[in-house]
Amino acid sequence: ETGVTQSPTHLIKTRGQQVTLRCSSQSGHNTVSWYQQALGQGPQFIFQYYREEENGRGNFPPRFSGLQFPNYSSELNVNALELDDSALYLCASRRPGGQVVSGANVLTFGAGSRLTVL
Amino acid sequence: AQKITQTQPGMFVQEKEAVTLDCTYDTSDPSYGLFWYKQPSSGEMIFLIYQGSYDQQNATEGRYSLNFQKARKSANLVISASQLGDSAMYFCAMREGGSGNTPLVFGKGTRLSVIA
Repeated sequence: ETGVTQSPTHLIKTRGQQVTLRCSSQSGHNTVSWYQQALGQGPQFIFQYYREEENGRGNFPPRFSGLQFPNYSSELNVNALELDDSALYLCASRRPGGQVVSGANVLTFGAGSRLTVL
Repeated sequence: AQKITQTQPGMFVQEKEAVTLDCTYDTSDPSYGLFWYKQPSSGEMIFLIYQGSYDQQNATEGRYSLNFQKARKSANLVISASQLGDSAMYFCAMREGGSGNTPLVFGKGTRLSVIA
């Protein structure tokens, strides 16, 4: 069973630009979540997709948007980049029923995409 | 109010010793789950251990155990026989509700350094 892979691993953008981050989930993982982790902080929930539809969103503006595709891949798009968008962006996925561990639905995370906005 | 509080920004432990990483949480939902993740410098969040709010026993997974004190709303991670490879950031997280669909809320993390 392969893990969650994210690309690119690092990228640099300038303020006002747009960025697309990509995630490839494990086969059968039809729920994907994106998190933003600023330096020195814990991850913060951006949004979640289930069967290609957004079904949960954190406190992030509409310029953060996403897509989920039938092949278990997904994208995070950020428009009009701001300096505060500099962070590690983590993708996480799980199967229906999750990776059931003592009743939990455990998310499997990728290694993230580190975005720097200048 | 903070949902997850980790009061130790950094901890040091001698190799082969045990260490406890603190976590307190705040929720009014009777159904919730508590998670610990390890984040090495590579960035990937690695799942360590889970405790459900209705679980009667403290969770254990190999060298990891969770000291769950429900009345005090604490869920401390205990790592026994620390190894150099345990050096990493450790995050406590909570999921509220019983559906499994609600997002994880993370604390700010504790950086653990294991000394030879």
